Amino acid sequence: GQQVMQIPQYQHVQEGEDFTTYCNSSTTLSNIQWYKQRPGGHPVFLIQLVKSGEVKKQKRLTFQFGEAKKNSSLHITATQTTDVGTYFCAGASGGSNYKLTFGKGTLLTVNP
Amino acid sequence: SQTIHQWPATLVQPVGSPLSLECTVEGTSNPNLYWYRQAAGRGLQLLFYSVGIGQISSEVPQNLSASRPQDRQFILSSKKLLLSDSGFYLCAWTPGRYGYTFGSGTRLTVV
Repeated sequence: GQQVMQIPQYQHVQEGEDFTTYCNSSTTLSNIQWYKQRPGGHPVFLIQLVKSGEVKKQKRLTFQFGEAKKNSSLHITATQTTDVGTYFCAGASGGSNYKLTFGKGTLLTVNP
Repeated sequence: SQTIHQWPATLVQPVGSPLSLECTVEGTSNPNLYWYRQAAGRGLQLLFYSVGIGQISSEVPQNLSASRPQDRQFILSSKKLLLSDSGFYLCAWTPGRYGYTFGSGTRLTVV
């Protein structure tokens, strides 16, 4: 079945440093989504990418979808303590049943 | 606006006891509904999903079952809990091929 790999598993940064997490799928995706889960909380939807090579920005966050629609990245510029949490990518394949396969996530900790 | 309710927030159950977790969605109709489980420090594992009343698809054969008795109600059940059923159970919905909205989750500890 479809697998979504995400690296790194953990990332610790100093406040103000940049952060990137990468996501790779074993199959071509119809879309990819990113979620953030704060410690003790539930995942919250951040964004969906659909088009090959698509790049979207949300303030300090930049999301990219690869040309082959099998990989994606999330880049945070100048991290803040509020960025702490686990970032998950989730891929959807084609077909009539819409279900997401989640990566294992990257836990980001930020040292103030 | 749409909201999703999931309860209880925490649950401690003995091995061999039954389980019933409920999830309801308000403000929408015919949502796609999902049950995920998250083990400590790990990713999200899809357990069941439903595209309509009475329609349940199981992703992982295990000690759990799901039902959708009403359009906006999704129930996760077990007849006899195992220690390995412990985890963080999350219900989610989407109107279609869009992002999921998750409930606040149930932390289940089987003792």
